[in-house]
Amino acid sequence: AQSVTQLDSHVSVSEGTPVLLRCNYSSSYSPSLFWYVQHPNKGLQLLLKYTSAATLVKGINGFEAEFKKSETSFHLTKPSAHMSDAAEYFCVVSDKGSWGKLQFGAGTQVVVTP
Amino acid sequence: GAGVSQSPSNKVTEKGKDVELRCDPISGHTALYWYRQSLGQGLEFLIYFQGNSAPDKSGLPSDRFSAERTGGSVSTLTIQRTQQEDSAVYLCASSSMGYTEAFFGQGTRLTVV
Repeated sequence: AQSVTQLDSHVSVSEGTPVLLRCNYSSSYSPSLFWYVQHPNKGLQLLLKYTSAATLVKGINGFEAEFKKSETSFHLTKPSAHMSDAAEYFCVVSDKGSWGKLQFGAGTQVVVTP
Repeated sequence: GAGVSQSPSNKVTEKGKDVELRCDPISGHTALYWYRQSLGQGLEFLIYFQGNSAPDKSGLPSDRFSAERTGGSVSTLTIQRTQQEDSAVYLCASSSMGYTEAFFGQGTRLTVV
């Protein structure tokens, strides 16, 4: 069975400082992993995806994530936070053992202070 | 269409009434998902379709909830005898075949009064 754990429910960062959102997953198969972002009163948008190609994945808006199989992690980072990064972020796992179903983490709320 | 379309965008219903929520996935996408998001909460998985089959219905909260998909395209989520705790945003997503990224609709905001 697949599962995903987001280790922080809330993260507060200052504008211009790095952002780190932590995600650990569990999967019996080679997983696909995704990060989605949801801005207030907006829909869900795909930030980036890992599907067994390069382990360092670059996404939109300067975000990137690194797949580490040995640590079963897929942490999301950005070198310099912008005010527009304030949103909720979801880590998602999918594997063939679950028929391709997307399993969402509980989400991390990011607050960016000036 | 260009994206996942959900209708209605907003629905207010009286407690005890039945409601139907519709999802039009991206053309050609075989996988379709329904999720529910309550105020300030994460996403709660409801049901997943691969084609017209639902290999995973484990998230449906009760037997008042049902969903179907016809022609490998449009899906309808039906809630019978609605309760106030059913109030939430119901999100639909589709992907080309499962295991790949899913694209979300804007959701249906359901309010049960």
